[in-house]
Amino acid sequence: QVQLVESGGGVVQPGRSLRLSCAASGFIFSSFGMHWVRQAPGKGLEWVAVISHDGKKQYYADSVKGRFTISRDNSKNTLYLEMVSQRDEDTAVYHCAKERDPRVSTSMDVWGQGTTVTVSS
Amino acid sequence: DIQMTQSPSSVSASVGDRITITCRASQGIGTWLAWYQQRPEKAPKLLIYGASRLHSGVPSRFSGSGSGTDFTLIISGLQPEDFATYYCQQANSFPWTFGQGTKVEIK
Repeated sequence: QVQLVESGGGVVQPGRSLRLSCAASGFIFSSFGMHWVRQAPGKGLEWVAVISHDGKKQYYADSVKGRFTISRDNSKNTLYLEMVSQRDEDTAVYHCAKERDPRVSTSMDVWGQGTTVTVSS
Repeated sequence: DIQMTQSPSSVSASVGDRITITCRASQGIGTWLAWYQQRPEKAPKLLIYGASRLHSGVPSRFSGSGSGTDFTLIISGLQPEDFATYYCQQANSFPWTFGQGTKVEIK
């Protein structure tokens, strides 16, 4: 079945770096755009970043632009999120999500359960 | 960036009720709108895309409408599993943005 499994979360000190991974299975990973969405404790959903199916295009939320980098390795069916210069407000559960349609970005139809990142000294 | 505003922030309802959640965009987004359901401690689930298109496997009691700046999610005949938080999300342009969420609680 279609599945996304995140890993790499943990406790990180402010200003340090962390890389999240998202292992995909059950679909043709290289055909779909992929997203990261986060949710701070007790808060709503915040879209973080997207990468095109071939990795050539990326877009970011203003809150992470210049600090986070989304990438993918289609040979490994894996999505990544490199986070540097971590701030307290980056504390959240980070979900990866698959675009519903390989031809146009409309919505996210499959989500991982998330990995928790806590920024704390 | 496009701002998405949902109302109400929360609603109390009973099983069998019909409820309406609205979402307003700060600028026109055509029908580039999706709705998601999130149960506590669970990942969000896609309900509707393209403002009114029901995602595969989603019960027909869920419906969406609207275009431009004003959108509506209707749940006709609330079921126990529908008590959750609902989010709208615009897909007109990056960065994508979500509404703040509407929590549907048991009355």
